[in-house]
Amino acid sequence: ETGVTQTPRHLVMGMTNKKSLKCEQHLGHNAMYWYKQSAKKPLELMFVYSLEERVENNSVPSRFSPECPNSSHLFLHLHTLQPEDSALYLCASSGRVPTDTQYFGPGTRLTVL
Amino acid sequence: DAKTTQPNSMESNEEEPVHLPCNHSTISGTDYIHWYRQLPSQGPEYVIHGLTSNVNNRMASLAIAEDRKSSTLILHRATLRDAAVYYCILRDRGQGWGAQKLVFGQGTRLTINP
Repeated sequence: ETGVTQTPRHLVMGMTNKKSLKCEQHLGHNAMYWYKQSAKKPLELMFVYSLEERVENNSVPSRFSPECPNSSHLFLHLHTLQPEDSALYLCASSGRVPTDTQYFGPGTRLTVL
Repeated sequence: DAKTTQPNSMESNEEEPVHLPCNHSTISGTDYIHWYRQLPSQGPEYVIHGLTSNVNNRMASLAIAEDRKSSTLILHRATLRDAAVYYCILRDRGQGWGAQKLVFGQGTRLTINP
């Protein structure tokens, strides 16, 4: 059973909408991640947060805005997205030791019309 | 990040062993070998990791070549539930956030026949 939950599981939005994806971890971890998985492409790391501080921004467009209010919650705010942003967005968490396992949520399937 | 090479797909039969290969000829002395898998409609999940010695856990075994340039994930008795994409990933055991990255390739899509 995963200790990482994501809501909503599915989201359809127009290009002018603003929406947010939510991730919550119940594992006591202090590092959280957003990944993007597009069709027929490998998972791509988007953002990394450690102790609520962003430590990695992997050249992600500004229409994606992450927020980490505490070590248990992570948000991805979306605005003026493009159809090519349609993908599976995955959240993960881990401890801060480099070999720590990352635990993934089930993902949010996003469709941009 | 060091690269890994895996076959795009493999097929096996239920209740038979499965050997999933991974080549990592440019591996450095500080790289751990990690395996994750992604079941259909789910996020990836950790399977196993190792550095130099072979490793066993309840899910699988990891056999690492003596020169560390390749490794093999072994599922001893595959079930239908093992059908997934399997990713072989190198992670630097150094400090800093570069070591925390998981760089996913295309992985191997494993099909299990009943």
